[in-house]
Amino acid sequence: GDSVTQMEGPVTLSEEAFLTINCTYTATGYPSLFWYVQYPGEGLQLLLKATKADDKGSNKGFEATYRKETTSFHLEKGSVQVSDSAVYFCALPLDSGGGADGLTFGKGTHLIIQP
Amino acid sequence: SQTIHQWPATLVQPVGSPLSLECTVEGTSNPNLYWYRQAAGRGLQLLFYSVGIGQISSEVPQNLSASRPQDRQFILSSKKLLLSDSGFYLCACNQAGVDGYTFGSGTRLTVV
Repeated sequence: GDSVTQMEGPVTLSEEAFLTINCTYTATGYPSLFWYVQYPGEGLQLLLKATKADDKGSNKGFEATYRKETTSFHLEKGSVQVSDSAVYFCALPLDSGGGADGLTFGKGTHLIIQP
Repeated sequence: SQTIHQWPATLVQPVGSPLSLECTVEGTSNPNLYWYRQAAGRGLQLLFYSVGIGQISSEVPQNLSASRPQDRQFILSSKKLLLSDSGFYLCACNQAGVDGYTFGSGTRLTVV
C-alpha cells in the first residue's frame, strides 16, 4: 500500500539555521501530499500541502515541493525560530477505499531549535 | 470552518477499567470521522473511520471499539484497558473528496 518515509529525529538546530526534513513516498498515482505540525501538548495542524506534481506548498516560511521524479516532498525553511520546535509529520491519503480517505503518516520528526 | 472538540485532554486509568473518549464536530455536516493513535516512539496509526451514523470501519485489530451515534459525534471505547492502550488519541474529520483534514487537540491516555 501507499506509505511515507521521513527522517527520524530528534533534529536539533540553532536559531536562524537552515532546515530540511526529508520525506519520500510510495504511492500508486499522484496523491496529494501534506505536512502536519504538532506543537507540544497540542493536536496536529495542517502546515502545508501540494496537490499535484511540481506544486510548491508554503506556509509560515516553510516550503515543500512535490517532486514525482524523486517521489519526495522535503520540508524546508531558510531560518528557523525557537517557536518552530515541534513534531513534523509527512502524510498522504490512505488507499483504503470504502468511501473515506484516512491519512497515512510518517513516524514524525521531532525538531528542537535552540536559542 | 470545521472545529473538533475532544475531551478529556489527559486521562490516567488503571488496567482493566473501561474507557470512553468523545469527539464532537462543529461547522460541518456529514463529515468523515477518524480516530488515530500515537504511541510512544511510534507514528500515527489510523484506528477507525466512519463515513456516516452507525458506520464504523476498523483499520487494525485491537482492544478498542468506536461508535457514531450522531452525525457529528464519534466515540472511542474499551471495556477493559490494557497497558498497551496508552498513547495520544486524536480525532479528525474531513469532507468526502476534500483533501483537508481537521484534527482535535488530542487525549493523552496513560494506563497504569
